[in-house]
Amino acid sequence: LAKTTQPISMDSYEGQEVNITCSHNNIATNDYITWYQQFPSQGPRFIIQGYKTKVTNEVASLFIPADRKSSTLSLPRVSLSDTAVYYCLVGAQHASGGSYIPTFGRGTSLIVHP
Amino acid sequence: SAVISQKPSRDICQRGTSLTIQCQVDSQVTMMFWYRQQPGQSLTLIATANQGSEATYESGFVIDKFPISRPNLTFSTLTVSNMSPEDSSIYLCSVTQGRRYGYTFGSGTRLTVV
Repeated sequence: LAKTTQPISMDSYEGQEVNITCSHNNIATNDYITWYQQFPSQGPRFIIQGYKTKVTNEVASLFIPADRKSSTLSLPRVSLSDTAVYYCLVGAQHASGGSYIPTFGRGTSLIVHP
Repeated sequence: SAVISQKPSRDICQRGTSLTIQCQVDSQVTMMFWYRQQPGQSLTLIATANQGSEATYESGFVIDKFPISRPNLTFSTLTVSNMSPEDSSIYLCSVTQGRRYGYTFGSGTRLTVV
């Protein structure tokens, strides 16, 4: 199973760009990298997904180097409402060879200060 | 993306009793999963709900404690049986319509066992 490692917490200020890096040394060839955001008392919410190089949407950018052993979520000009836990997910094949399993790491708690 | 209705949103239960959590999706989905999130922790996968067959449980979770049903492609239930205070947690339903499309999570069921 592909295991992910992220910083436990990060602090930032409104208007700054935040970059959260995730390590996934054992990523498999067919795995995609997905990032989720979770606010207290809510389920995780999909932010962005990528396979290689760079992906950008209206919320964030995802940078993936050629070896795909890490990825960086970039949040431009954060606001107080971006305070949340961010999870990096890498897909893993079930041990029995059946289902595709999303496996969550510990996540990064981002606190945005005024 | 799919929209999930998860019920109940919260409950307080007596130890020794059972609670059934429902997950209803507004469209047919390929995969359905059940997660547990203990206070301040990340999400832990309980099982994959398989349509028309027995669920696939992760290590540490057993069918007698967490029976799961999935009678069709839009609905699943998770029962927490013979509850103890250690079962106090948030239980989340998640679905996907394919690995490239990410996962959608319900808002969760906050369970407190007293």
